[in-house]
Amino acid sequence: DIVMTQTPLYLPVTPGEPASISCRSSQRLLDNDDGHTFLDWFLQKPGQSPQLLIYSVSYRASGVPDRFSGSGSGTNFTLKISRVEAEDFGVYYCIQHIEFPHTFGQGTTLEI
Amino acid sequence: ELGLVESGGSLVQPGGSLRLSCAASGFTFNRFNMNWVRQGPGKGLEWISSISASSDSIYYADSVKGRFTISRDNSKRFLYLHMNSLRAEDTAVYYCARNWNFYYYYMDVWGKGTTVTVS
Repeated sequence: DIVMTQTPLYLPVTPGEPASISCRSSQRLLDNDDGHTFLDWFLQKPGQSPQLLIYSVSYRASGVPDRFSGSGSGTNFTLKISRVEAEDFGVYYCIQHIEFPHTFGQGTTLEI
Repeated sequence: ELGLVESGGSLVQPGGSLRLSCAASGFTFNRFNMNWVRQGPGKGLEWISSISASSDSIYYADSVKGRFTISRDNSKRFLYLHMNSLRAEDTAVYYCARNWNFYYYYMDVWGKGTTVTVS
């Protein structure tokens, strides 16, 4: 199985400051046949379902503010928030879905 | 309105069975692959099963393989998860999630979840 490792697991931030979360996969997530990289990011706010933020490494999902950005390639990926707002607090997960079983990272808690 | 609503979660004894349902609305259900994802108390997300739009491809996590069965009824717009031989470690909130599978692939619509407690 592909192992997804997120760092840090806890990220204290101050509103208005930037934040960055890393996700490393144990195998490359690039499908050479279609050129897609199967790495997405989700945010789960307390008491809520996960919500899609970023798909295919760097594409923002519908309605996601442009302060969120994703980057990376190969086995190393990053989610960045240019300026954290109060509504951004929660747990962030990366997920690989290039193969089954799909696997999530452990989650990174963004907290004040 | 676009949405997924899970139901069927309850308290069940170890070794027992349960069937979860996920009702889909607001989209053409039979065009989308679907998933079940769970989250144990205080834990992270765990993908457990996927089914293709026509049910011809099905996948399971090792943790549930042989005990859980995913299925769907496209005519009724329902996704199901049949759970047998339940264990304490199956205690979790179970989410169904739609898989956008047109050029890009991602889980874009999630239900609010249904809670299964094995005790």
